[in-house]
Amino acid sequence: SQQGEEDPQALSIQEGENATMNCSYKTSINNLQWYRQNSGRGLVHLILIRSNEREKHSGRLRVTLDTSKKSSSLLITASRAADTASYFCATDAEAAGNKLTFGGGTRVLVKP
Amino acid sequence: GAVVSQHPSRVICKSGTSVKIECRSLDFQATTMFWYRQFPKKSLMLMATSNEGSKATYEQGVEKDKFLINHASLTLSTLTVTSAHPEDSSFYICSVSGRGTYTQYFGPGTRLTVL
Repeated sequence: SQQGEEDPQALSIQEGENATMNCSYKTSINNLQWYRQNSGRGLVHLILIRSNEREKHSGRLRVTLDTSKKSSSLLITASRAADTASYFCATDAEAAGNKLTFGGGTRVLVKP
Repeated sequence: GAVVSQHPSRVICKSGTSVKIECRSLDFQATTMFWYRQFPKKSLMLMATSNEGSKATYEQGVEKDKFLINHASLTLSTLTVTSAHPEDSSFYICSVSGRGTYTQYFGPGTRLTVL
């Protein structure tokens, strides 16, 4: 079952602006990951944050995790047209082995 | 990360025929391979998990006789859609994972269209 819900479902911004998207989940997790998918392509792993971490950075990406609220956010700073893609959060849980449960995704359009 | 390929990238077939999709891990010993299905503008739906040398574990609602999965080696898994029907038309994506890691590396996907 899909336990991750993402919001917003779609986001349109100008190049240079920041893009923020959120992911909520329902059960306890081990890790939360964010992936990017360009149209008609496979997914690319962006970042993994463990349940005992609160914030992680990778280049222009900043991910936060609030396990008390069962939510995570992905911030893309100084967005570029090439950041146009769908972004998915995915969680894994002890009971599910190494299976990932994906959120519904946020479609981001960065206008030049 | 791992480099994963899928073949073919696109396939169009007639209703009632079977289609085989290959997923190869080019530089990574994939102890586990996953097969997903994705509808337009939707998220990924896990179909099955396959460990090398053992039978695949199918998710609830996925017919194992319809979607045959073989994970013959640490670098190759195949998904065969048997007796395909138009409702099987979808984007099929595989991913690979190694022992002790939760990160998955995805193939580029296969677009299946059943006429």
